[in-house]
Amino acid sequence: EDQVTQSPEALRLQEGESSSLNCSYTVSGLRGLFWYRQDPGKGPEFLFTLYSAGEEKEKERLKATLTKKESFLHITAPKPEDSATYLCAVHPSGGGADGLTFGKGTHLIIQP
Amino acid sequence: NAGVTQTPKFQVLKTGQSMTLQCAQDMNHNSMYWYRQDPGMGLRLIYYSASEGTTDKGEVPNGYNVSRLNKREFSLRLESAAPSQTSVYFCASRGLLDAQYFGPGTRLTVL
Repeated sequence: EDQVTQSPEALRLQEGESSSLNCSYTVSGLRGLFWYRQDPGKGPEFLFTLYSAGEEKEKERLKATLTKKESFLHITAPKPEDSATYLCAVHPSGGGADGLTFGKGTHLIIQP
Repeated sequence: NAGVTQTPKFQVLKTGQSMTLQCAQDMNHNSMYWYRQDPGMGLRLIYYSASEGTTDKGEVPNGYNVSRLNKREFSLRLESAAPSQTSVYFCASRGLLDAQYFGPGTRLTVL
């Protein structure tokens, strides 16, 4: 069974305090790993797709990395507007439903 | 481009009532999806459609039906709503980089 586990569940940082969010996954075959940002009352907003171990993607203060077992979302010098829930999802390449399997998310709060 | 749009934004139903959630995308994507999001759980796939005229079950299809009306529109129907279907429902379509793009959601309460 495909599984995605995100840690920590919640994280409170001071503005400018860098940290990393973890996404561990178990999947029969990986077609892609995705990171999303979700603000309260909104739909998930696409951030990154990673396809293979060793791959990295960057956008502003965010950098996503991928290994064979996990992905990290590194946040450098965060600002209050980076506060959101960050979701990790996998798209398995094996048979079965053609959808994403999501983790429960990490709720990130950046305090000024 | 509006992206993915969903109607209604909010809905309250009584147990046993029926309703249809509407979804449309203007990005010319082939694949479309319906998910539900419940507190303390990840988003879960209800149904998906790989192309116009095809639909398939996801992880939690019981109590739901879907229709892929055309390439743009993918609707989700609750024939006889139950309190367990109280949730936030998201529609998505799949585009470049295999990414799925989500709508703003429909917040449904079943009393």
